[in-house]
Amino acid sequence: KAGVTQTPRYLIKTRGQQVTLSCSPISGHRSVSWYQQTPGQGLQFLFEYFSETQRNKGNFPGRFSGRQFSNSRSEMNVSTLELGDSALYLCASTGAGTEAFFGQGTRLTVV
Amino acid sequence: DAKTTQPTSMDCAEGRAANLPCNHSTISGNEYVYWYRQIHSQGPQYIIHGLKNNETNEMASLIITEDRKSSTLILPHATLRDTAVYYCIVRPTYNTDKLIFGTGTRLQVFP
Repeated sequence: KAGVTQTPRYLIKTRGQQVTLSCSPISGHRSVSWYQQTPGQGLQFLFEYFSETQRNKGNFPGRFSGRQFSNSRSEMNVSTLELGDSALYLCASTGAGTEAFFGQGTRLTVV
Repeated sequence: DAKTTQPTSMDCAEGRAANLPCNHSTISGNEYVYWYRQIHSQGPQYIIHGLKNNETNEMASLIITEDRKSSTLILPHATLRDTAVYYCIVRPTYNTDKLIFGTGTRLQVFP
């Protein structure tokens, strides 16, 4: 079956702009989590959605937001981009089995 | 914050067993031990998980001490393709799929 799909794979944005990243989970998975990975901070949890509801949120400013649709697809949005937001953004989906499956990520570069 | 401590790096000869330790002395009774690995900026890949008993699958074995305060991931016959960062994660059994990543162990397999 198809894995977790993240789009786009690469993105370049200018400071002050906003960006929306998309994640399509594995079919049947209802839980989607987002992570940010930077060389300095490593892999950090952003937020988790289950059945269209945010279930957990990490320690990130309000510029980072997300949502989940009825088909379990999820988007995350970052407004007023800063240089420090340059990172690999990873999405993971979890189903009835307990392990999370990760997508290949979206590499965001803010210039 | 991550509830696990791992060595920063380890080396292993190809064909030999790689034993990666993890300390999780504050683990609660309702928390699993999970292992993931990440190969050069790809999405993390699930390896194995366990609660109390030792576990084995086609990729690895997981040995959890009786007091559950530490565990060891064993790759029985390491190959060059096992070179990656290995993350040991403690995760609650209920109500969340969130993963808190530590700094992991960078395993280098050499010929």
